[in-house]
Amino acid sequence: AQKVTQAQTEISVVEKEDVTLDCVYETRDTTYYLFWYKQPPSGELVFLIRRNSFDEQNEISGRYSWNFQKSTSSFNFTITASQVVDSAVYFCALSEAREGGSEKLVFGKGTKLTVNP
Amino acid sequence: EAQVTQNPRYLITVTGKKLTVTCSQNMNHEYMSWYRQDPGLGLRQIYYSMNVEVTDKGDVPEGYKVSRKEKRNFPLILESPSPNQTSLYFCASSGVNYEQYFGPGTRLTVT
Repeated sequence: AQKVTQAQTEISVVEKEDVTLDCVYETRDTTYYLFWYKQPPSGELVFLIRRNSFDEQNEISGRYSWNFQKSTSSFNFTITASQVVDSAVYFCALSEAREGGSEKLVFGKGTKLTVNP
Repeated sequence: EAQVTQNPRYLITVTGKKLTVTCSQNMNHEYMSWYRQDPGLGLRQIYYSMNVEVTDKGDVPEGYKVSRKEKRNFPLILESPSPNQTSLYFCASSGVNYEQYFGPGTRLTVT
């Protein structure tokens, strides 16, 4: 069965610190997708990134970067120079790749990030 | 604008009073799902639908019903709500790019 583990329940940092959110996944599929979502205090789920299992290139988007390592089944998320607006719950999720689209995302339990001024 | 809409956004109801949460998407997606979010448990899938008239159970389907009569709509029905269904509910749809678009959420309280 698929499983996503976010071992860090809560993280608190001071503004401008770098912070890494860990995500470890389990799947028997060779083709799958990994996602990160942000849930700010307002409650909506904001899509951050999608990565397929055949693409292990790291990705950088502004202050955000993602490190995908298939060898350790990890898909970690780093925020550089954190800001108060980064305070949110962050979810890592795993989806099996099925023809025509996804049926289910398996979510980790989330990491609550608090960035203090 | 591509979006998933849900209504109502907030609902307080009493045990046993049937309710429906509507979900609609304008992206012509075949796949739609319902999730519930509970503290400490993350998001768990309730039901999903691969196309019109095709639905299947997710991880926590007990106490819920769904229907998919039109491609754009996927309502969630609680025929006899109970307090343990108090939760934050999200509807989602996805297309061939595997990205799931989420609605804004419906916060349900059952007293």
